[in-house]
Amino acid sequence: GDSVTQMEGPVTLSEEAFLTINCTYTATGYPSLFWYVQYPGEGLQLLLKATKADDKGSNKGFEATYRKETTSFHLEKGSVQVSDSAVYFCALIGDYKLSFGAGTTVTVRA
Amino acid sequence: DAGITQSPRYKITETGRQVTLMCHQTWSHSYMFWYRQDLGHGLRLIYYSAAADITDKGEVPDGYVVSRSKTENFPLTLESATRSQTSVYFCASRLAGGKNEQFFGPGTRLTVL
Repeated sequence: GDSVTQMEGPVTLSEEAFLTINCTYTATGYPSLFWYVQYPGEGLQLLLKATKADDKGSNKGFEATYRKETTSFHLEKGSVQVSDSAVYFCALIGDYKLSFGAGTTVTVRA
Repeated sequence: DAGITQSPRYKITETGRQVTLMCHQTWSHSYMFWYRQDLGHGLRLIYYSAAADITDKGEVPDGYVVSRSKTENFPLTLESATRSQTSVYFCASRLAGGKNEQFFGPGTRLTVL
């Protein structure tokens, strides 16, 4: 079945540091890929998505590129802020439901 | 209010009691989902519904019951709550067809004593 493996955390960074969270997937067919973010005490919000190979999703300074050859969808941000502290989930949708990674907790220190 | 809402936001109950968590969406999305979020397990799908009167089991359905008599509502019932059902529960919805994103509610934090 479909599955997502993402980098385990927690990750602690200083402001303005570069952030990468690795995500790889296993799926049949051509899934759409997502990154969701969960801020403390809140539900999940879509951060960005990509629906086909080589697509780049971007939002709020975050980027991720759908790499079919390496079955990856790594999340990157060049300069993080304290407000980026959250839990980040990589996910894919193959047919009807999302399959999530375990989530990566990111803490950004001032 | 527009969007997807859950109630209650917080609930404390006792073992053996019946508890119902409510989920309401205003977008007329066909699909609705219930997840639980636990440390070390990420989000796990409990039940989902493709349309009114159509429901199906997810990964962890035992101990839960759902119904969907109206498109906009998808209540989740714990028939006899157990401590292992202490969790944060998220409802989600999305449009039918394709691979559309899911929209999540704010969550219900349930504690079973």
